[in-house]
Amino acid sequence: ETGVTQTPRHLVMGMTNKKSLKCEQHLGHNAMYWYKQSAKKPLELMFVYSLEERVENNSVPSRFSPECPNSSHLFLHLHTLQPEDSALYLCASSQTLGGWYEQYFGPGTRLTVT
Amino acid sequence: DAKTTQPNSMESNEEEPVHLPCNHSTISGTDYIHWYRQLPSQGPEYVIHGLTSNVNNRMASLAIAEDRKSSTLILHRATLRDAAVYYCILRDVEEYGNKLVFGAGTILRVKS
Repeated sequence: ETGVTQTPRHLVMGMTNKKSLKCEQHLGHNAMYWYKQSAKKPLELMFVYSLEERVENNSVPSRFSPECPNSSHLFLHLHTLQPEDSALYLCASSQTLGGWYEQYFGPGTRLTVT
Repeated sequence: DAKTTQPNSMESNEEEPVHLPCNHSTISGTDYIHWYRQLPSQGPEYVIHGLTSNVNNRMASLAIAEDRKSSTLILHRATLRDAAVYYCILRDVEEYGNKLVFGAGTILRVKS
């Protein structure tokens, strides 16, 4: 138990569906992250939030839309995805963005796009 | 970001020490060396980090070469639970954003 929870753990969706991934951290952290881990590829950073403000968007397609309503919750809204978007989506949090603080990861959501 | 090079995979026997190497020949003076690991079906977890001096914690030890161009993560007694992908990551402490750039890592297999 890392203090970061993600729901759902598994999701299968068609290309025309709209779904959302949820992440919640119980650590009192101010920074949150979305990563994507595709099969046989390294983890890729997608988005970074600090105090509910997006500070980084790593050239992610607009079919992925993040939302951070407060410092404890992070969402990833998905719409009109492609099969190549099937991957493990990981959420992480850290105390702040400055300095080095370790990141705490959730267990991930395994997404399959059919 | 400076790059790291790690072996694709390593194998160890249970209860024996494991030395996981990492090369980072282009490391800069403000790069910290971080290690994370990812157990099967889990997200990555922090293991240890250091700058110049060797570091120990309850999980592992980090030995850093004097010229800082390489480092070694040491697991003193491998257990089956240590089977994971181990990532060596450089992070510039002066760069705002706390970004972690993951490579392919080293797959550690532990035999009983």
